[in-house]
Amino acid sequence: EDKVVQSPLSLVVHEGDTVTLNCSYEVTNFRSLLWYKQEKKAPTFLFMLTSSGIEKKSGRLSSILDKKELFSILNITATQTGDSAVYLCAVVGGGGFKTIFGAGTRLFVKA
Amino acid sequence: NAGVTQTPKFQVLKTGQSMTLQCAQDMNHEYMSWYRQDPGMGLRLIHYSVGAGITDQGEVPNGYNVSRSTTEDFPLRLLSAAPSQTSVYFCASKPSGTAYSPLHFGNGTRLTVT
Repeated sequence: EDKVVQSPLSLVVHEGDTVTLNCSYEVTNFRSLLWYKQEKKAPTFLFMLTSSGIEKKSGRLSSILDKKELFSILNITATQTGDSAVYLCAVVGGGGFKTIFGAGTRLFVKA
Repeated sequence: NAGVTQTPKFQVLKTGQSMTLQCAQDMNHEYMSWYRQDPGMGLRLIHYSVGAGITDQGEVPNGYNVSRSTTEDFPLRLLSAAPSQTSVYFCASKPSGTAYSPLHFGNGTRLTVT
């Protein structure tokens, strides 16, 4: 059975801290791994990773994939209160028709 | 641009009632899908469609029906609602069934079944 596991499930940090969110997966015929940010409503897309070892970066956020060890990390540096959200990891496998999500990491950044 | 539009935003049903959650997208996306989100369980795929007239089951299809008569619309039907179907439902689309495009999500429908 395909699965995506995220850790930690929740995290409380202070503004300025750096956080690392983890995502491990077991998905048949891996195609891509995606990170989404979910605030109050719809998840919004952050990164897509398909190749091992190539870091994707956007401002203070960065992510990398290890296809040998079957995991990805999402780093957020110099956290701000606006980073408070649920971060979702998702993996596309098989024929590309099913995206499997992890349970998410709920991040709370204190001012 | 509207993107993915879901209606209604909120709905309360009694056990055994039926209803249809509406989803429409204006991006000419071939692929559309329905997810439910429950606390601590992430998003789980209910049904998906790779084009008009083609649908298939996801991880948790029981109790739900779908059809896809047009590219734009992908309604989700609950034939006989149960309390276990209390959840937040998201519709999502992408340009095709490719693995290399992110999903675009609607703002969700919060459903309560009493």
